[in-house]
Amino acid sequence: DAGVIQSPRHEVTEMGQEVTLRCKLISGHNSLFWYRQTMMRGLELLIYFNNNVPIDDSGMPEDRFSAKMPNASFSTLKIQPSEPRDSAVYFCASSSPRPSSPSEQFFGPGTRLTVL
Amino acid sequence: DQQVKQNSPSLSVQEGRISILNCDYTNSMFDYFLWYKKYPAEGPTFLISISSIKDKNEDGRFTVFLNKSAKHLSLHIVPSQPGDSAVYFCAGTNTGTASKLTFGTGTRLQVTL
Repeated sequence: DAGVIQSPRHEVTEMGQEVTLRCKLISGHNSLFWYRQTMMRGLELLIYFNNNVPIDDSGMPEDRFSAKMPNASFSTLKIQPSEPRDSAVYFCASSSPRPSSPSEQFFGPGTRLTVL
Repeated sequence: DQQVKQNSPSLSVQEGRISILNCDYTNSMFDYFLWYKKYPAEGPTFLISISSIKDKNEDGRFTVFLNKSAKHLSLHIVPSQPGDSAVYFCAGTNTGTASKLTFGTGTRLQVTL
């Protein structure tokens, strides 16, 4: 199993540009989570999907951020327009709840975003 | 509003000794807690968890203790090894919320020789 796949691993862009981060879930998983990691706030949940449906997007910072799940195995997180304060590492994670481990999530390697 | 707090940003422990990482939470609805370990340039990986119906869970060198009345949990690593050097995140959840995890800010553990 390849695990959760994220692309790109690194992204450097200029303020005002559109950024799209991509995530492929582990096969068979039905929940998808997008997180942002910063020094000050640690791992913040931005949005999560269950069976392709957005369940909670209360962590999305503002309207510049949007996320989609066009199918059961793939998701995108888009920032338009990007700002320097969006610089962070963005992780996606997937899960398939099991009785033995009801909340374990499997994380991708992350995308390090730098907005100049 | 930090519902999960890890008040020690860093910890240094000698190889072979015990490492104790602490975590406090404020949300009384949390009924399941997890610890994740994160190496540089990698995503966090699951380490150990505990349900609120227990006060201890052990897996090899790793033990998590839960004190519900104090809303406090701790991760003990015995004996500590250099490969344990990483950032450790504590997370809480209510198992009725479709696996939504609330993470702390992390503690960087350095195990020295």
